[in-house]
Amino acid sequence: DTAVSQTPKYLVTQMGNDKSIKCEQNLGHDTMYWYKQDSKKFLKIMFSYNNKELIINETVPNRFSPKSPDKAHLNLHINSLELGDSAVYFCASSQAITQYFGPGTRLTVL
Amino acid sequence: AQTVTQSQPEMSVQEAETVTLSCTYDTSESDYYLFWYKQPPSRQMILVIRQEAYKQQNATENRFSVNFQKAAKSFSLKISDSQLGDAAMYFCAYRSAPTGANSKLTFGKGITLSVRP
Repeated sequence: DTAVSQTPKYLVTQMGNDKSIKCEQNLGHDTMYWYKQDSKKFLKIMFSYNNKELIINETVPNRFSPKSPDKAHLNLHINSLELGDSAVYFCASSQAITQYFGPGTRLTVL
Repeated sequence: AQTVTQSQPEMSVQEAETVTLSCTYDTSESDYYLFWYKQPPSRQMILVIRQEAYKQQNATENRFSVNFQKAAKSFSLKISDSQLGDAAMYFCAYRSAPTGANSKLTFGKGITLSVRP
């Protein structure tokens, strides 16, 4: 009965690899988001989708490509991973006001 | 652009006591929402409380309450009867009122709260 789920929870990979993080919500929400939490715990929006349409793209390198196959899923694909991409990535969803977060994916790039 | 400032990086409280976490924000908008999220060591982001800017009454959720001062652009969180499980990082966040393009959350840097037994 998890509301917002992410897989995997942990991801360790080498520089230059391509990886994906998946997000699913079973709340029936129309809007989904990706946030990045850096090593200093600062949280910043990356993308938002409303009913499969990209709404927000906050100056994120084009190595990051979100994909929303349907309104319950928002995946994040990252090409050519760099050391600076190491962070915790949170998916969130909302219907109107409040955003509900997934458990986060800790990405470590070696 | 909106900014959210949490100037205290850390605070400590004795179990069963009351603690207040500060947050200020800057915006030119008149309608918006403010939130406090809790992030325990499990790293899950948990909504603590929400305040609508158009409401004069301060929001309350059990032991958690806010002091919302719209003119001063201040939004502090008061935790009463602190419990060991309250130990976590707390983030203040701002959201513009309209949905769609402006629906992102802007976060402060967070404050780490420790609870002494």
